[in-house]
Amino acid sequence: DAGITQSPRHKVTETGTPVTLRCHQTENHRYMYWYRQDPGHGLRLIHYSYGVKDTDKGEVSDGYSVSRSKTEDFLLTLESATSSQTSVYFCAISESAAEGGNTIYFGEGSWLTVV
Amino acid sequence: RKEVEQDPGPFNVPEGATVAFNCTYSNSASQSFFWYRQDCRKEPKLLMSVYSSGNEDGRFTAQLNRASQYISLLIRDSKLSDSATYLCVVNFYTGRRALTFGSGTRLQVQP
Repeated sequence: DAGITQSPRHKVTETGTPVTLRCHQTENHRYMYWYRQDPGHGLRLIHYSYGVKDTDKGEVSDGYSVSRSKTEDFLLTLESATSSQTSVYFCAISESAAEGGNTIYFGEGSWLTVV
Repeated sequence: RKEVEQDPGPFNVPEGATVAFNCTYSNSASQSFFWYRQDCRKEPKLLMSVYSSGNEDGRFTAQLNRASQYISLLIRDSKLSDSATYLCVVNFYTGRRALTFGSGTRLQVQP
């Protein structure tokens, strides 16, 4: 299995509070991604990174920000959590751009509940 | 219309059966295709890539039909351990550096 660790794995938080999810990889892969998965929607890309300090938005980026200060860490922050952000969040990594057909590997997921 | 569409299922089949899933995609310029498998409350994992000429990996066969814009996954001799959700994944050549996932088709193999 790819060396990807997500933390926390489970979190319950209140509406309006900030939340940060961490993804740590030991594979030295250049690309890192944050997806959310909701029933009926499949996996949707929130943000991705193609190198240290290089990030870009995905299809559902509103309400989320990311940072990548080191190759191995990619942080996802919910500035002010809302109930619509209750979801399962998956971090993923790939050696090269996923669009090139390179395999992406997923972390085990972080279950976030906003009450 | 979703970019990648799958029948959500569930497909309930007995052990030993052959089952097939289809997935349709909307962008004819799509470049690459994959099937991922996801077990309940687990992360998705790559099952197989899908090549233009079709490809096989043991009991699994993947086919691509570019003209009709669909891909398929055939599972022969189903095992209980095949019970999972199968995600169709497409790379749309839009400059977006990521993949587009279908919502998944759930398979339940019954003894």
